Amino acid sequence: DIQMTQSPSALSASVGDRVTITCRASQNINNWLAWYQHKPGKAPKLLIYKASNLERGVPSRFSGSGSGTEFTLTISSLQPDDFATYYCQQYNSHSWTFGQGTKVEIQ
Amino acid sequence: EVQLVESGGGLVQPGGSLTLSCAASGFAFSSYLMSWVRQTPGKGLEWVANIKPDGSEKYEEDSVKGRFTISRDNTQNSLFLHMSSLRAEDTAVYYCAREDYMSGLDNWGQGTLVTVSS
Repeated sequence: DIQMTQSPSALSASVGDRVTITCRASQNINNWLAWYQHKPGKAPKLLIYKASNLERGVPSRFSGSGSGTEFTLTISSLQPDDFATYYCQQYNSHSWTFGQGTKVEIQ
Repeated sequence: EVQLVESGGGLVQPGGSLTLSCAASGFAFSSYLMSWVRQTPGKGLEWVANIKPDGSEKYEEDSVKGRFTISRDNTQNSLFLHMSSLRAEDTAVYYCAREDYMSGLDNWGQGTLVTVSS
């Protein structure tokens, strides 16, 4: 199975900060990488697909980059609505796997 | 508008069984792969199983193989997860999600809670 290692597991930041989250795959996933935002009690929300494509309706402050095994989610200017947990997920193989999550908290 | 509504969660004893349902609307259900994903208490998201549009192929995560079965009824726009031999570690909120081959899990339900406890 493909393992996804996400870092950091948590971070504290202020409104307006630039935030970067990293995800590493245990093997090449051919850019089949998605990022999700999850808030308590709510449905997870797709932000980025195929490593760098912004899902319709998602603010442009979110961006994804990377290829092969190393990927990054960047929030260019953190907003109050962005405090949540973020997950990467590979969908290269039939057995899909998520990263452990990164909780973004208010500093 | 795409809507996915899960039901069937509840309290079940270890070793017991439960079937979850997901009612889909707002899209051509029979054209999409569908998945179940869970979030265990204090932990992250874990993919559980998925099924092709016509039900011809199904895949499950290793820890649930032989215990959980995913199925669908395209005439009723419904997705199911039959869970048996349940363990405490299966306690989680279970989400159904629509898969797009390009974008992954692009729409999710609100989830249903399954608690396995004596």
